[in-house]
Amino acid sequence: QSVLTQPPSVSAAPGQKVTISCSGSSSNIGNNYVSWYQQLPGSAPKLLIYDNNERPSGIPDRFSGSKSGTSATLDITGLQTGDEADYYCGTWDISLSGNVFGGGTKLTVL
Amino acid sequence: QVQLVQSGAEVKRPGSSVKLSCKASGAPFSSFLMSWVRQAPGQGLEWMGKIIPILGIRDYAENFQGRVNFTADIPTSTVYMELSSLRSGDTAIYYCARVLRSARTGTQSFDIWGQGTMVTVSS
Repeated sequence: QSVLTQPPSVSAAPGQKVTISCSGSSSNIGNNYVSWYQQLPGSAPKLLIYDNNERPSGIPDRFSGSKSGTSATLDITGLQTGDEADYYCGTWDISLSGNVFGGGTKLTVL
Repeated sequence: QVQLVQSGAEVKRPGSSVKLSCKASGAPFSSFLMSWVRQAPGQGLEWMGKIIPILGIRDYAENFQGRVNFTADIPTSTVYMELSSLRSGDTAIYYCARVLRSARTGTQSFDIWGQGTMVTVSS
């Protein structure tokens, strides 16, 4: 059972926009910054977003993040078939004194 | 560019230990903070802890306290993760990941990942 809650799956058509949610509590998202990771099939995770909404160099602006209260969201616009992957949110949990992740959301581009 | 290359797959018996390696290149190792994250088959990511190699400081996740040990060899830019008293539930892909510390917020995320090492625990 993951500390952060994500929907198991989302889907949308190519070119459309999808939103992936990540819900936590005051001990994690409520008082810390959120990062997002993309894991393509058979590959290691890749950092997409850090500090709620910052993109590392090389990440296209189709990917954006936001946070409000104890929840965060990842938006992906202009969906491409290559975006099909698992997406994970992560943050620090004060009570656990450790990094925690969501259970992951599988994105299908129909 | 920065790369992390991990050691090969392992098959272990329950009750035994495993020691994995993660070799860094492409940036001064002295600036690294490294974490280990595992992923059981078909499951999500689980943080195991972190090490600051140049200082020898370690921080382990609660779930692994007493069973895991991180070490580092500075001359070879390599970090190691040893997990003992293995059980079937430890079957997973183990990743090393460089910790990115945000200059703006101080928050830590994981910006460079190794390719992963599959550890299978089976009798």
